[in-house]
Amino acid sequence: DPKIIQKPKYLVAVTGSEKILICEQYLGHNAMYWYRQSAKKPLEFMFSYSYQKLMDNQTASSRFQPQSSKKNHLDLQITALKPDDSATYFCASSQEPGHRNSDYTFGSGTRLLVI
Amino acid sequence: GDSVTQTEGQVALSEEDFLTIHCNYSASGYPALFWYVQYPGEGPQFLFRASRDKEKGSSRGFEATYDKGTTSFHLRKASVQESDSAVYYCALGEPNTGKLTFGDGTVLTVKP
Repeated sequence: DPKIIQKPKYLVAVTGSEKILICEQYLGHNAMYWYRQSAKKPLEFMFSYSYQKLMDNQTASSRFQPQSSKKNHLDLQITALKPDDSATYFCASSQEPGHRNSDYTFGSGTRLLVI
Repeated sequence: GDSVTQTEGQVALSEEDFLTIHCNYSASGYPALFWYVQYPGEGPQFLFRASRDKEKGSSRGFEATYDKGTTSFHLRKASVQESDSAVYYCALGEPNTGKLTFGDGTVLTVKP
């Protein structure tokens, strides 16, 4: 059974539109993350959350907004979509943020294409 | 900021060959170091981690030793198999926020 569920698996969006990427983890972890993977930057950190609080934000644009309604949920809202946003977005989680012995588990990703 | 450098972008080997993928890091603190493997259409999978100097991490025949002196964490495997073909990422973990900084990845292709 998948321990991190990302929905949808594939997403095609029109330039200027808004989309929400869903992530749920069933590992009992307290920290969740978003990463982006594209041809330009293989695996790029975006956000980290711990106990539903933002720990780190490395995303330059405010168009990307994480949303955490429950401890095991961390959705990603993207507004005013641009073709450059086309990438695979991975959700990940770990027991605690930054703990030296934490393992990070990744979901299978949402592949976003903006046309 | 922190960074990870993987020297090899692509490695092509035959089965039973010895594998080395070089990883060097630059960090202001004392990070944990990781190796991840990614197969087509999937997310990165944790391979192993090392948290302190001289610690060896290992899994599935792969191993790497944390070397603070040379700031390295090179991945090695004595005898690769075709099923090892994948992309391998070295990463360092930021102690406070849990951020992982990845290298650019190494595409390993193993021919039977």
